[in-house]
Amino acid sequence: DAGVTQSPTHLIKTRGQQVTLRCSPKSGHDTVSWYQQALGQGPQFIFQYYEEEERQRGNFPDRFSGHQFPNYSSELNVNALLLGDSALYLCASSDSGLGPTQYFGPGTRLLVL
Amino acid sequence: KNQVEQSPQSLIILEGKNCTLQCNYTVSPFSNLRWYKQDTGRGPVSLTIMTFSENTKSNGRYTATLDADTKQSSLHITASQLSDSASYICVVTAPFGASGGSYIPTFGRGTSLIVHP
Repeated sequence: DAGVTQSPTHLIKTRGQQVTLRCSPKSGHDTVSWYQQALGQGPQFIFQYYEEEERQRGNFPDRFSGHQFPNYSSELNVNALLLGDSALYLCASSDSGLGPTQYFGPGTRLLVL
Repeated sequence: KNQVEQSPQSLIILEGKNCTLQCNYTVSPFSNLRWYKQDTGRGPVSLTIMTFSENTKSNGRYTATLDADTKQSSLHITASQLSDSASYICVVTAPFGASGGSYIPTFGRGTSLIVHP
């Protein structure tokens, strides 16, 4: 049973570019949450997707957008990249019917130059 | 504002010793509290999860306690091993929306633990 997978593992972009990160949830999970973790900080909640819709959103600008597909996989898009967007982006999946237990993926390390 | 504060920020101990990490929170209402272990550059892995009515939960050498009245939790690690070197993150979750709805977690900044041989 595959856990949460994310791609790519590492990414380097320049300011102003756009990036798309991908996440496949754990088998049987229907809810995907995205987090940004700056170096030395705890993860910050970006948003959560359920039934292909954004259900909750943290304090992030509209440059951060997402999508969930019918197979429950998800994408995180960031437009007009800033240096401060450099971070580890974590995806977590959960089963809406079983409560809030989340399983995290390994993350995508984004570096903006 | 919901906050989770962890202490100490970092900790160095010798292999075989015990240690205790602290977590104070202001999240309200409260759904559950979890402790995660995060190795450098990896995603967090859940160690324990406790609801409002639970005051202790063990997972091998890890024992978490919860005092919902004082809004404090601790994670005790017994007989530490080199592989325990990691960041330990406290996460408090509040329910959202009708009938619980979705769950919004608030993460602490973590305690960085280094175990020396």
